[in-house]
Amino acid sequence: AQRVTQPEKLLSVFKGAPVELKCNYSYSGSPELFWYVQYSRQRLQLLLRHISRESIKGFTADLNKGETSFHLKKPFAQEEDSAMYYCALNTGFQKLVFGTGTRLLVSP
Amino acid sequence: EAQVTQNPRYLITVTGKKLTVTCSQNMNHEYMSWYRQDPGLGLRQIYYSMNVEVTDKGDVPEGYKVSRKEKRNFPLILESPSPNQTSLYFCASSLSQGNQPQHFGDGTRLSIL
Repeated sequence: AQRVTQPEKLLSVFKGAPVELKCNYSYSGSPELFWYVQYSRQRLQLLLRHISRESIKGFTADLNKGETSFHLKKPFAQEEDSAMYYCALNTGFQKLVFGTGTRLLVSP
Repeated sequence: EAQVTQNPRYLITVTGKKLTVTCSQNMNHEYMSWYRQDPGLGLRQIYYSMNVEVTDKGDVPEGYKVSRKEKRNFPLILESPSPNQTSLYFCASSLSQGNQPQHFGDGTRLSIL
């Protein structure tokens, strides 16, 4: 079955602390994975995708096929990073399966 | 400006009264999709469309209809809304080929009493 698991509903850290938002997936094909971010009262926005291997706003994510994971990391969290983060798996023909999301709260 | 536009943004209505949520994109995208977002469940796909006159069910299609008569528009229709369809709805679009990201609208909050 195609599934994306984000085990943490809420992750609370202090400003300047490292952040890791976990994402595990279950998919028999070659995965295409994304991280989307939703700031308060705003639309979902693409944060990054594994195929581009880029760093956006200091966030990175590496696809680990052996562990079927795509964890999102940032070495030093900022208050403006507080948002809802969704991991998503493209299962083909642009069909996205989303995880349940992790709310990141960065305190001063 | 490239965008996905949904209307209305908010709607409170009663059980059984037909309603339509419109979605329009100006990016000439082939693919469009509707999601509902519920606490603890994340986003679940309702229907999607690969191109004009091509639509298919997502994971939670019951109680919804869609149409794709033009490339830019993808309305979501609730023929007989019920309280369990109270939710936050998002429309999204993307190019259909390859690993293309989806662009989301601002969302429509529906309350069915």
